[in-house]
Amino acid sequence: NAGVTQTPKFQVLKTGQSMTLQCAQDMNHNSMYWYRQDPGMGLRLIYYSASEGTTDKGEVPNGYNVSRLNKREFSLRLESAAPSQTSVYFCASNWRYTEAFFGQGTRLTVV
Amino acid sequence: KNEVEQSPQNLTAQEGEFITINCSYSVGISALHWLQQHPGGGIVSLFMLSSGKKKHGRLIATINIQEKHSSLHITASHPRDSAVYICAATGNQFYFGTGTSLTVIP
Repeated sequence: NAGVTQTPKFQVLKTGQSMTLQCAQDMNHNSMYWYRQDPGMGLRLIYYSASEGTTDKGEVPNGYNVSRLNKREFSLRLESAAPSQTSVYFCASNWRYTEAFFGQGTRLTVV
Repeated sequence: KNEVEQSPQNLTAQEGEFITINCSYSVGISALHWLQQHPGGGIVSLFMLSSGKKKHGRLIATINIQEKHSSLHITASHPRDSAVYICAATGNQFYFGTGTSLTVIP
């Protein structure tokens, strides 16, 4: 089992560029999440998906879109990157009410 | 508003010391998680508990549902315990504390 695999690990974008962060889990989890982590602010939920075919906004969804392609994969897209989106992004998955497994994180810098 | 509050924010200890990190939450929860994040590293789950106490090696986690409070204890601390420890409460979603940065000095 690989757990939660997140790509890429590092990315530098210019303002206005777009990119997609990929996340895949092999644990047959229903729920998947995207978080961003900023200094002093902890982890903040961007979007989550409680099951295949459903997605819901979290605390900070503006500027992002997501796709739950199938049960395994949950991608996060930045359509027009802004410096405020410089952050570390984590994907996570779990069965509802069980422990969460996290990807290794993507360090994104928008210049 | 912060649904989950952690204290202290930063903690420095000498190797061998007993360490306690506290977490208070204001939301109704189904479980309380303790996570560990090493510098530049990923996040791993240490404990998930909904009542009582759990122990894994030198780590102990307790929760008091009535008081909405949880503690993470590290006995005989070691420099490799240096990391950020994050408390997370789960109901319909995860609510995260901002983390406690622990440094254990040899």
